Amino acid sequence: DVILMESGGDLVQPGGSLRLSCRASGFSFSDYAMSWVRQAPGKGLEWVSGVRGSDGIRYHADSVKGRFTISRDTSTSTLSLQMNGLRVDDTAIYYCAKSSVGDYIESMDVWGKGTTVIVSS
Amino acid sequence: QSVLTQPPSASGTPGQRVTLSCSGSNSNIGILTVHWYQKLPGTAPKLLIRHNDQRPSGVPDRFSGSKSGTSASLAINGLQSEDEADYYCAAWDDRLRGAVFGGGTKLTVL
Repeated sequence: DVILMESGGDLVQPGGSLRLSCRASGFSFSDYAMSWVRQAPGKGLEWVSGVRGSDGIRYHADSVKGRFTISRDTSTSTLSLQMNGLRVDDTAIYYCAKSSVGDYIESMDVWGKGTTVIVSS
Repeated sequence: QSVLTQPPSASGTPGQRVTLSCSGSNSNIGILTVHWYQKLPGTAPKLLIRHNDQRPSGVPDRFSGSKSGTSASLAINGLQSEDEADYYCAAWDDRLRGAVFGGGTKLTVL
């Protein structure tokens, strides 16, 4: 079975940092693009960051550029999201997701259960 | 304000056909493919349609997708109560160099 399991969500103060992890299993991790997608309370889905499987090129949404960094470790099949300079509006459930084919970051067929990040003083 | 525009709500009765729309531009839907997701409360999103009109295995054939120009549609035939959910379109945006979602349409089955 293809499984994605997120961890690292927590309560953090504004301006703080957090690192999310997503452990993948059941597929060839380096063959697929991976993404982080979030949903703030009462809001819609927002794509946050993605990394291509073929070449590791990384992309970030404008809302997190310069603050968040996506990375992957193909030796442990782990996707990470380093979140710095956290703001109240970063509060959300963060999902890890796998592309359905190759480097199509926006087509995500397997999702984790999500990990909750709360930014509050 | 989302890059992809979806009506915030839609409704239908059991057995009816409903169509949900998604409008984009020439930097996303106009030149690239569209994907649709179903989101139920408390669960992770589910990929319903990929690359405009392809159904992943396990998705009922009641769901279908289409694209024309800078717009796309998701059609649900034979509406069922369990189809009540939020539906999101998504695409890659070549100008923004990132994936974009629509704001979502909340579908109510009356």
